[in-house]
Amino acid sequence: IAGITQAPTSQILAAGRRMTLRCTQDMRHNAMYWYRQDLGLGLRLIHYSNTAGTTGKGEVPDGYSVSRANTDDFPLTLASAVPSQTSVYFCASSDSLGSNVLTFGAGSRLTVL
Amino acid sequence: GQSLEQPSEVTAVEGAIVQINCTYQTSGFYGLSWYQQHDGGAPTFLSYNALDGLEETGRFSSFLSRSDSYGYLLLQELQMKDSASYFCAVRDRSARQLTFGSGTQLTVLP
Repeated sequence: IAGITQAPTSQILAAGRRMTLRCTQDMRHNAMYWYRQDLGLGLRLIHYSNTAGTTGKGEVPDGYSVSRANTDDFPLTLASAVPSQTSVYFCASSDSLGSNVLTFGAGSRLTVL
Repeated sequence: GQSLEQPSEVTAVEGAIVQINCTYQTSGFYGLSWYQQHDGGAPTFLSYNALDGLEETGRFSSFLSRSDSYGYLLLQELQMKDSASYFCAVRDRSARQLTFGSGTQLTVLP
């Protein structure tokens, strides 16, 4: 089934540790995104990528980094996790950066203690 | 920047019609989108309006008035499975970012 795979599904992490959330899509979409979702705040864009080799900052990029080595993979890294990064993280993709139709992964629930 | 406002909660009974409103402020407008998210699930795309008027997709319809910076999602013949959160979203002038509202939790009662 075509779509987006995220891993891990859930993780508890000690503050200060490094963590990478993985995201892989098999739809050959050009654009990929990372959103975080917090209660009452909706979905906020962290980083995005227009195509392999290019990335950009979204609304809340601080403390996060991304890379886009190929079309399919778009990992999100927390270099030194802090409790305020406790959230549900969604990876998404679309055929182009200007599309309003995003396909989301199932999410990764991260708890930083 | 851009901001969106939508009600936090709406409750309706099975078989009824419900309207979820969304007002937005944006520096450049490239359309209003709607997404559905069930508890514990991923957001899924429902509809998109680029121009004024009503777009219908089965039981769901979405309306846009660009002059009023306003839109709504209309759900007809409500079913229990429609209980979910519904998010409106707009794209900003740079077209890089789809900004989501904080969501409306719809509860459908039997």
